[in-house]
Amino acid sequence: GQQVMQIPQYQHVQEGEDFTTYCNSSTTLSNIQWYKQRPGGHPVFLIQLVKSGEVKKQKRLTFQFGEAKKNSSLHITATQTTDVGTYFCAGHGGTSYGKLTFGQGTILTVHP
Amino acid sequence: DAGVIQSPRHEVTEMGQEVTLRCKPISGHNSLFWYRQTMMRGLELLIYFNNNVPIDDSGMPEDRFSAKMPNASFSTLKIQPSEPRDSAVYFCASSRSGQGQFFGPGTRLTVL
Repeated sequence: GQQVMQIPQYQHVQEGEDFTTYCNSSTTLSNIQWYKQRPGGHPVFLIQLVKSGEVKKQKRLTFQFGEAKKNSSLHITATQTTDVGTYFCAGHGGTSYGKLTFGQGTILTVHP
Repeated sequence: DAGVIQSPRHEVTEMGQEVTLRCKPISGHNSLFWYRQTMMRGLELLIYFNNNVPIDDSGMPEDRFSAKMPNASFSTLKIQPSEPRDSAVYFCASSRSGQGQFFGPGTRLTVL
């Protein structure tokens, strides 16, 4: 079945440093979504990427979808303590409409 | 909009007891998902519905788990009998087909 791998598992940064998490799928995706989960909270939808090579920005967050639609990345510029949490990518395989396969997530810690 | 509503928020029960988790999706969303999250296994999709019809229940661990969606505004996940290894946070999420998923606050289940 479809697998989505995410690295790194953990990332510790100093406030102001940049952060990137990477997501790789074993199969071509119809689209990819990114979620953020604060400690003790629930996953919150951030964005969906659909097109090959697509790049989207949300303030300090930049999301990319690979040309082959099998990988994606999330980059945060100048992290803040409010960025703390787990970032998940989730892929739609296309054949199972609506079903997402989540990566394991990257736990981000930001030291002030 | 109230968002996805789940009840109860916390449930502590003894092994062998029946547990029923409830979910009210966002009005207008036609897809509903049940997930389980643990430290060891991460976020797992248990089952999802489209237009109240179960589409994929391949993630349901075993026959002790069952889920229903009698109408567009209500779904239940039942565990009978419960076991300690069922202890986890159970999330319900809803979406419009193919779009981002909105998660409820989750039910933290502890089976003693």
